[in-house]
Amino acid sequence: GEDVEQSLFLSVREGDSSVINCTYTDSSSTYLYWYKQEPGAGLQLLTYIFSNMDMKQDQRLTVLLNKKDKHLSLRIADTQTGDSAIYFCAERYNQGGKLIFGQGTELSVKP
Amino acid sequence: NAGVMQNPRHLVRRRGQEARLRCSPMKGHSHVYWYRQLPEEGLKFMVYLQKENIIDESGMPKERFSAEFPKEGPSILRIQQVVRGDSAAYFCASSPLLAGDDTQYFGPGTRLTVL
Repeated sequence: GEDVEQSLFLSVREGDSSVINCTYTDSSSTYLYWYKQEPGAGLQLLTYIFSNMDMKQDQRLTVLLNKKDKHLSLRIADTQTGDSAIYFCAERYNQGGKLIFGQGTELSVKP
Repeated sequence: NAGVMQNPRHLVRRRGQEARLRCSPMKGHSHVYWYRQLPEEGLKFMVYLQKENIIDESGMPKERFSAEFPKEGPSILRIQQVVRGDSAAYFCASSPLLAGDDTQYFGPGTRLTVL
């Protein structure tokens, strides 16, 4: 089945690390994505990971994939107020296929 | 290279009217996806099109909704006889679908309000 779950809210202090979690149900997913949405805006691609990888790092962002538990996480180091947004994880099964999105996690960064 | 463009950004319609939403993909992209985001929810897939072809319309409501991506011009999502429940943000994404890169890049969305 197609289902992606995320916790709805996360609040952190500026300078701390943020960890946003996501679980998915379909083990045949090939790519997993993280998108960021600021208020009133579209979705900005942050990073993605291929299903045969365990980890990917890109500057302040670290993606961890646990295929056994079907668990994906996004860690943001040194979180800034500009990181406040809604973060969506999404899975895709095959090349060119549709994306299945989670409900989004609203990250609030307090000074 | 301009990003994915959508217009209008905001659209207000009365119940029963028609809504036409346009999407111009990024240059060189021939694959277009439409998603709908209801208030406080994630994005739900509606339809996937290539030039002049509908590839996957499994997320499209059976009635009143249609989509096209002609050989020339933007992709159009058309909603006939709109109802209040159609109020949502509609996002378009495009992809080059090349080997090694079929990432979907999103436009800013069209926010439809049905009065």
